[in-house]
Amino acid sequence: TQLLEQSPQFLSIQEGENLTVYCNSSSVFSSLQWYRQEPGEGPVLLVTVVTGGEVKKLKRLTFQFGDARKDSSLHITAAQPGDTGLYLCAYDSGGSNYKLTFGKGTLLTVNP
Amino acid sequence: DAEITQSPRHKITETGRQVTLACHQTWNHNNMFWYRQDLGHGLRLIHYSYGVQDTNKGEVSDGYSVSRSNTEDLPLTLESAASSQTSVYFCASSGSGVVTEAFFGQGTRLTVV
Repeated sequence: TQLLEQSPQFLSIQEGENLTVYCNSSSVFSSLQWYRQEPGEGPVLLVTVVTGGEVKKLKRLTFQFGDARKDSSLHITAAQPGDTGLYLCAYDSGGSNYKLTFGKGTLLTVNP
Repeated sequence: DAEITQSPRHKITETGRQVTLACHQTWNHNNMFWYRQDLGHGLRLIHYSYGVQDTNKGEVSDGYSVSRSNTEDLPLTLESAASSQTSVYFCASSGSGVVTEAFFGQGTRLTVV
């Protein structure tokens, strides 16, 4: 079973600070996905990374897929209270059919 | 707009009762999934389906069952509710393809007393 380790588990910062959260594994993945879950809601897809070394940007969020495709990071610049939520990484463990397996997530709180 | 809806949003039931959680999607997706979310465990897959009449067990399937009689619905049944099944349950759907996206419902908070 491939495991996704996410760190840190909890992160509380002040508005305007920068932060990075990590998603690591000893296994190689064909792709990784990042989801954000707000309180009382289901997860929503932020990005899919496919190519080793790939960097994708979504406004103030920067996602990177490791060169060896074993890890990924999410960097947020100038965090805002609206960034508060649970950040989950996930991989497709279904082989020929899609089936997501999630890490345990990083719970981010951005204080005004 | 297409959507995925779960009902009820909150439910309290007694130990030993049978409970069914509903999930309905209008995306016309073949793939549907049920997860439970618990502190310290994250999202864990209970059951999933890749089409009508297809169902598969996930990593935490004991005590749960699903059936897929049409494309839109995948109800989750707890055969005899136990306190260990107190959790938040999420239904999701996705299209077919090598790299796709899962769309989640808003969740059902189930308390077994």
